Amino acid sequence: AQKITQTQPGMFVQEKEAVTLDCTYDTSDPSYGLFWYKQPSSGEMIFLIYQGSYDQQNATEGRYSLNFQKARKSANLVISASQLGDSAMYFCAVDYKLSFGAGTTVTVRA
Amino acid sequence: DAGVIQSPRHEVTEMGQEVTLRCKPISGHDYLFWYRQTMMRGLELLIYFNNNVPIDDSGMPEDRFSAKMPNASFSTLKIQPSEPRDSAVYFCAVGRQGSAGELFFGEGSRLTVL
Repeated sequence: AQKITQTQPGMFVQEKEAVTLDCTYDTSDPSYGLFWYKQPSSGEMIFLIYQGSYDQQNATEGRYSLNFQKARKSANLVISASQLGDSAMYFCAVDYKLSFGAGTTVTVRA
Repeated sequence: DAGVIQSPRHEVTEMGQEVTLRCKPISGHDYLFWYRQTMMRGLELLIYFNNNVPIDDSGMPEDRFSAKMPNASFSTLKIQPSEPRDSAVYFCAVGRQGSAGELFFGEGSRLTVL
């Protein structure tokens, strides 16, 4: 079974600044995937980025990048140049069955 | 494709009543997942199917919950009898083997059991 820990329940960030969301995980699987999803106030879940455990390079997707440190079992999400529309709940997840963390609420201030 | 379609979007029912939540997946996606989201427990995987076959139902809370996928175009999650603690948003999501884990979620069904 996987366990996901997101220690930041809520964060505030100024518009145009970068924000890092922490995620640590615990899994016994030798091969796994790491995911981040965004849930705005409207409730839908939106896929942001994926990192395979054997990928050599950190994943990037537009303004999203994943700081993957396999030895530390850490997969932090970095959102660069924050926009007001980035205000949402962000979930880290592991594996195809997606064990989700508790989420971090990000509020972007103008 | 219209995306994952869930119905009803909102349901209010009384304790003891049967509730059926429906999901129409995106064609060509061979994995289907049912999740439940509450403030207290966050997002929980209830069950998932691969090619219409239930693979893991260990997240189903109890026998009152059942899920079916009679064909690739339809899945249901049934709660009978419903209880107030079942109140939650239930999400259906689909994925495809080899798609780097991207799941497409429906908009969810918000269930309130009085």
